Amino acid sequence: LAKTTQPISMDSYEGQEVNITCSHNNIATNDYITWYQQFPSQGPRFIIQGYKTKVTNEVASLFIPADRKSSTLSLPRVSLSDTAVYYCLVGVSNFGNEKLTFGTGTRLTIIP
Amino acid sequence: NAGVTQTPKFRILKIGQSMTLQCTQDMNHNYMYWYRQDPGMGLKLIYYSVGAGITDKGEVPNGYNVSRSTTEDFPLRLELAAPSQTSVYFCASSYGVRETQYFGPGTRLLVL
Repeated sequence: LAKTTQPISMDSYEGQEVNITCSHNNIATNDYITWYQQFPSQGPRFIIQGYKTKVTNEVASLFIPADRKSSTLSLPRVSLSDTAVYYCLVGVSNFGNEKLTFGTGTRLTIIP
Repeated sequence: NAGVTQTPKFRILKIGQSMTLQCTQDMNHNYMYWYRQDPGMGLKLIYYSVGAGITDKGEVPNGYNVSRSTTEDFPLRLELAAPSQTSVYFCASSYGVRETQYFGPGTRLLVL
């Protein structure tokens, strides 16, 4: 099974832009890349999803290079409420049985 | 529209006891998932289902069983509980395998 690799933790100051990169070297042609956010004692929630190039919504942007072996989640002007764990999820195909694998997650801490 | 609901919220089990964690979704999603999350760790897929009557193993299925008799319900059964099963269990659902997963609030299980 292909795996994803993310930094274990990151710190940033309020108001800055934060970029979190996920490596997924064995991504399949039809796989999408999805990012989730998880606060303590809660289930993860969807942030953004993309297939290639750039996707932007009201909370984040997702940058995917042409080779699709990595992706970068960009959070503009972070605030204390963005302190959470961020997971990169890549669809994995294995002999027709698709199994999804969450990455290790990146613990983002926003400093006042 | 309640989304994904899980019961109970918290449970203490003695070693060797059994229990069923309940999960219900009202979004008419085909896919449902069970994850476990150990303290400070990421999510690991236990079992998933692609529709009523169809289930398959995830990354860590040993010690668990599931069934999917209806689209809405996806219970997780623990037989002969062990301390290693102490964790937080999250149920999720999605319309398709690459679609956004919606998570329940989680069940915290302590096995003593």
